[in-house]
Amino acid sequence: EAGVAQSPRYKIIEKRQSVAFWCNPISGHATLYWYQQILGQGPKLLIQFQNNGVVDDSQLPKDRFSAERLKGVDSTLKIQPAKLEDSAVYLCASSRAGMTHSGNTIYFGEGSWLTVV
Amino acid sequence: AQTVTQSQPEMSVQEAETVTLSCTYDTSENNYYLFWYKQPPSRQMILVIRQEAYKQQNATENRFSVNFQKAAKSFSLKISDSQLGDTAMYFCAFMKRTNAGKSTFGDGTTLTVKP
Repeated sequence: EAGVAQSPRYKIIEKRQSVAFWCNPISGHATLYWYQQILGQGPKLLIQFQNNGVVDDSQLPKDRFSAERLKGVDSTLKIQPAKLEDSAVYLCASSRAGMTHSGNTIYFGEGSWLTVV
Repeated sequence: AQTVTQSQPEMSVQEAETVTLSCTYDTSENNYYLFWYKQPPSRQMILVIRQEAYKQQNATENRFSVNFQKAAKSFSLKISDSQLGDTAMYFCAFMKRTNAGKSTFGDGTTLTVKP
């Protein structure tokens, strides 16, 4: 099966500009995650969707970050305006809903690398 | 809130030898999953092994095995017969066993396998 697709892979922007990242999860996966991974750290969950509803966005800086998953499939993460500290890899991931043995394994995309200068 | 701690930022091992990576976690949940992920320089996270907290038997996947101590909230990864391709960052992760469980990651251990 096809994996989690993300685009663009690399983006360089100036501070105060805006950027958007797109993610298409594995077909049939109801749960979609956006993680921010700063160099040298583990991924930090920004937002988690279950179908098209938000399950957890407690660590999303809502003054500048927004995300949507309107039809319960693909998702967009936007940053506006960007700050230097937003330089990171933005990882999209998906998993099946439910409590089957393989249901909660998270599958990751290759990430979108953002550099803010 | 859950926390995951990996106390070894960097480790190294000689090729063909065995290495153990440590992970501890803190949670009030009773039902959950634990994972080890490998992240090579390409940055794509790859699942290495998973453990379900209600299972007492430690998970194994070929050269990879875990030592799961639920009472101690410890979840270490043992890599046997280390290979050069095992060089990567390894992340321990926790996920609640609910219909849409939130996941939490540690800060990783950089493992270098030396020839």
